[in-house]
Amino acid sequence: DAMVIQNPRYQVTQFGKPVTLSCSQTLNHNVMYWYQQKSSQAPKLLFHYYDKDFNNEADTPDNFQSRRPNTSFCFLDIRSPGLGDAAMYLCATSSGTSGLYEQYFGPGTRLTVT
Amino acid sequence: DAKTTQPNSMESNEEEPVHLPCNHSTISGTDYIHWYRQLPSQGPEYVIHGLTSNVNNRMASLAIAEDRKSSTLILHRATLRDAAVYYCMTNNNDMRFGAGTRLTVKP
Repeated sequence: DAMVIQNPRYQVTQFGKPVTLSCSQTLNHNVMYWYQQKSSQAPKLLFHYYDKDFNNEADTPDNFQSRRPNTSFCFLDIRSPGLGDAAMYLCATSSGTSGLYEQYFGPGTRLTVT
Repeated sequence: DAKTTQPNSMESNEEEPVHLPCNHSTISGTDYIHWYRQLPSQGPEYVIHGLTSNVNNRMASLAIAEDRKSSTLILHRATLRDAAVYYCMTNNNDMRFGAGTRLTVKP
């Protein structure tokens, strides 16, 4: 089945130690999104790629970066994780960014910062 | 994107219909209305979306008010597996989640 895969499902990193989360998709979708979801809160959009075009949300901290080397893969890099960055990180894909298209989400990576 | 307002929580009995409301009074003419749900410890899952007309699929129905300032997600027969947080969003370009409604289904 076509799907969105996130690895690892659980990631533990130390305060200030760079960490990379990965997302891959077999849907061949043009758009890939990264969301941050903290406990008991709604997912918060960090940024998205439309093909290779990167679109950053205005309030996404500079500490968060992303790479999309090809259609199938997208990475979230946290350069210097703080305790406040502990959260579930969700990857999603879509055929397009207009409201015509639905999003498909991966299971998420839960990040713990010690 | 228009901001959405949903009740924080709702309860339903198993096998009864559930109507989940959403207000989006500032919706623009080209914004679609999307519903997603998130089961515990899972990523959000697409439920349904529409623009102007009511929509039906195997999971639910979406009733859109004539002025498009509100919509209702209808689960025709709630099951215990429908217990989740339901998010309503309006989208013309990017997807931003509101606070959602936590649905509890009682046996």
